[in-house]
Amino acid sequence: DGGITQSPKYLFRKEGQNVTLSCEQNLNHDAMYWYRQDPGQGLRLIYYSQIVNDFQKGDIAEGYSVSREKKESFPLTVTSAQKNPTAFYLCASSLSGTAYEQYFGPGTRLTVT
Amino acid sequence: GENVEQHPSTLSVQEGDSAVIKCTYSDSASNYFPWYKQELGKRPQLIIDIRSNVGEKKDQRIAVTLNKTAKHFSLHITETQPEDSAVYFCAASRRSGGYNKLIFGAGTRLAVHP
Repeated sequence: DGGITQSPKYLFRKEGQNVTLSCEQNLNHDAMYWYRQDPGQGLRLIYYSQIVNDFQKGDIAEGYSVSREKKESFPLTVTSAQKNPTAFYLCASSLSGTAYEQYFGPGTRLTVT
Repeated sequence: GENVEQHPSTLSVQEGDSAVIKCTYSDSASNYFPWYKQELGKRPQLIIDIRSNVGEKKDQRIAVTLNKTAKHFSLHITETQPEDSAVYFCAASRRSGGYNKLIFGAGTRLAVHP
């Protein structure tokens, strides 16, 4: 259950502001992922990173940005360009980009008003 | 692109009954199919998975079956208990650029009534 942490658990922002969500893992996993979860929908992939200093867009990358400067950290920035930012954001990691099993962090619920 | 459909969206059973959740996928190259359980406000937890070279896998009260020809897989929970109440997600692997990603179904909300 442990090993992947996200902070904060709840985040409130005003429309037009950028906000950065934290994701840290101590599992020594190479690959990390960001998903968005909306009510009644499955998890949708925003960005993923297979290795430090490399990342790729997922299915819904518009309005988001990421960085991967350290193996342990994969922060997600929700920019003002994201039209519907209010959602539950989940970070996940896997041993490698070719590994199948993904393990999730506890999530951050972002509310933008 | 790859699509995963999950049914039903909600499922209500009496304690002790069995529950079955079904998923279909579209990409014949998918070869890994995990199931996650998510309790309210918590992280999804991997509960069981199956690979395409296996037709069935069991772990105590839960089992997963895979029909590659029909491109569908199912989660079976026997002797349900109230603590089984949660949202269950299926997923199918998708290979892109040499790496594996997961495509998730929309989820099934299971309620087990005492």
